[in-house]
Amino acid sequence: AQKVTQAQTEISVVEKEDVTLDCVYETRDTTYYLFWYKQPPSGELVFLIRRNSFDEQNEISGRYSWNFQKSTSSFNFTITASQVVDSAVYFCALSDLGGSQGNLIFGKGTKLSVKP
Amino acid sequence: SQTIHQWPATLVQPVGSPLSLECTVEGTSNPNLYWYRQAAGRGLQLLFYSVGIGQISSEVPQNLSASRPQDRQFILSSKKLLLSDSGFYLCAWTADGAPYNEQFFGPGTRLTVL
Repeated sequence: AQKVTQAQTEISVVEKEDVTLDCVYETRDTTYYLFWYKQPPSGELVFLIRRNSFDEQNEISGRYSWNFQKSTSSFNFTITASQVVDSAVYFCALSDLGGSQGNLIFGKGTKLSVKP
Repeated sequence: SQTIHQWPATLVQPVGSPLSLECTVEGTSNPNLYWYRQAAGRGLQLLFYSVGIGQISSEVPQNLSASRPQDRQFILSSKKLLLSDSGFYLCAWTADGAPYNEQFFGPGTRLTVL
């Protein structure tokens, strides 16, 4: 069965610190996609990244970077030099052939608080 | 560009009252549409999805129903609300035929059942 685990419920850092949000997934399929979403206090989920199971290259986008490791079934998200605007709940999600028409299986989210 | 709308933004309803939440998508055709619920302090749970007009699939048994009367309109309903229906309801869409594409979410409706 598909499952996404975000073990960190809440993380609090001071501005400019680096922070890594962990995501571990379970799936029996060889083809799957992983996603990260950001949910600011306003509530709307904002898409950040999609990664397919055949591409293990790490990705960097500005202060954001993602480390995908199939050997450990992990897809971790790092924010470098965090800022107050990064405060939000971050969700990791999985989509595979076992899902219903692209159903996303979400983790429970990690609440990140960045203090000035 | 594509946009997704949801209304109302917030709603307070008494137990036993009916419910109708609406979601519309602009700038695309034949999208896959989804309803999620996010209970307080918890992750997102898929409630319904639709791949076309009149086609609704339910992921979990519940007090709610969904309908898709038009290509880009998705409605979430209930005949009698329960306290447990309180939560944050999010509508999302993804391009037709591309189940692995990212889903784009609307601004959500915060429902409180008293």
